[in-house]
Amino acid sequence: NAGVTQTPKFQVLKTGQSMTLQCAQDMNHNSMYWYRQDPGMGLRLIYYSASEGTTDKGEVPNGYNVSRLNKREFSLRLESAAPSQTSVYFCASKTPGGNGYTFGSGTRLTVV
Amino acid sequence: QKEVEQDPGPLSVPEGAIVSLNCTYSNSAFQYFMWYRQYSRKGPELLMYTYSSGNKEDGRFTAQVDKSSKYISLFIRDSQPSDSATYLCAMETGGGADGLTFGKGTHLIIQP
Repeated sequence: NAGVTQTPKFQVLKTGQSMTLQCAQDMNHNSMYWYRQDPGMGLRLIYYSASEGTTDKGEVPNGYNVSRLNKREFSLRLESAAPSQTSVYFCASKTPGGNGYTFGSGTRLTVV
Repeated sequence: QKEVEQDPGPLSVPEGAIVSLNCTYSNSAFQYFMWYRQYSRKGPELLMYTYSSGNKEDGRFTAQVDKSSKYISLFIRDSQPSDSATYLCAMETGGGADGLTFGKGTHLIIQP
């Protein structure tokens, strides 16, 4: 099925550990996004990529890095995880010409 | 003041009722307006997408945008228990690259 695939679905990290969240879309979309969702805060943009080879910071980029590996894949890396990064992370891609964004099913990350 | 304001609820109504969900915003540059539905532990799913002011209807769902008042609404007719979810309003300026700005979401409960 066409859509946005995120891995892993769940992860527990210790403070200071690193990890990479993977995202891939098979809809040939140019623009891809990483959001985090926290209780009472809604969805907030971490980083986005308007096209292959370009990335830009969103509202809450501190503590994260991203890589747009190719048109399909957009990864999010936590170099040194902190408890404040405990959240649900969503990847999304934008349909060209309008008609919204497609979201993945999310990665639930807990940092202890 | 956050750019997009949305009452978090919970909003509880009996089955069959008409539901009204609303958001206000402050950035007059927003041109594209969306409503997403999110079930527990799932990713957001696009329900309605509208451009500029006006109404759009899709089955039991109607989206309204009033740019002069900076106010958007989602109406659900003949509400069903399966409509129980969190409803997120989202909007963007149309430049395409900077992603969506979300409200915090309204938790809706339809009582059988």
